[in-house]
Amino acid sequence: IAGITQAPTSQILAAGRRMTLRCTQDMRHNAMYWYRQDLGLGLRLIHYSNTAGTTGKGEVPDGYSVSRANTDDFPLTLASAVPSQTSVYFCASSEGENQPQHFGDGTRLSIL
Amino acid sequence: GQNIDQPTEMTATEGAIVQINCTYQTSGFNGLFWYQQHAGEAPTFLSYNVLDGLEEKGRFSSFLSRSKGYSYLLLKELQMKDSASYLCAVRDRDYKLSFGAGTTVTVRA
Repeated sequence: IAGITQAPTSQILAAGRRMTLRCTQDMRHNAMYWYRQDLGLGLRLIHYSNTAGTTGKGEVPDGYSVSRANTDDFPLTLASAVPSQTSVYFCASSEGENQPQHFGDGTRLSIL
Repeated sequence: GQNIDQPTEMTATEGAIVQINCTYQTSGFNGLFWYQQHAGEAPTFLSYNVLDGLEEKGRFSSFLSRSKGYSYLLLKELQMKDSASYLCAVRDRDYKLSFGAGTTVTVRA
C-alpha cells in the first residue's frame, strides 16, 4: 500500500543521546516535511525539502538536522536530545510544493 | 509569519451541523487547508481553498474570504466518527504551511 512510513513508532531516549527518526515514502513525491506536534501549539514545521538534494529550515529548526539524498527518504536527526524535544513528530510529503500534504502515522518521542 | 486562530473545543449532537471558524493574519497568502485528525492518528486532508467562496465535498464544506482573513469548515449531518480535531492551515508565498492549534469536535448521541 502506497504511503509514508515512519520509524520508530515510539521511543524513550535519554537526554544527550543522538537519535534519527526515519521517514520513507513510495509515492515519488518531490516535497517532504518534518513537523512536531505539541499540545496547544499545533503542528510546527521543523525542516522541509522541496526536491531531492535540497533542504530548508522551518519555524523550529534548532537542535534538528535533515538530509535528502534521494526522493524517498527524509531522515530527521537530533544530535543531542533535550527534554524540550519531547513531542510527536510527523513526516509529510506532497507531489509538489503547491499540493496537499499527506502525513505519516507519527513518532512519539520522549526525552528523559 | 502567520497568526492562526480557531476555537479550542466544540460539542454538537449527532445529525446536527457544526461550523468551525478560522481567522488568520499572514504576510503572504497562498491557500488555506483543512485537515482532520483523530486522536493518536495522522492528520488527513479534507479541503483546500485559494479563491473566495464555498467548496463543497459531500458532508463537508469550506468557505474562504481573503479580504477578511477568514475561513470556516462546515460539517453537516454529524456522525459519531466525526469526533476529531480539525486543523486550519495557511500556506504562505513560499508554499510552507502554518497550522492553527486545532479545534476538538465532540459529537454526542
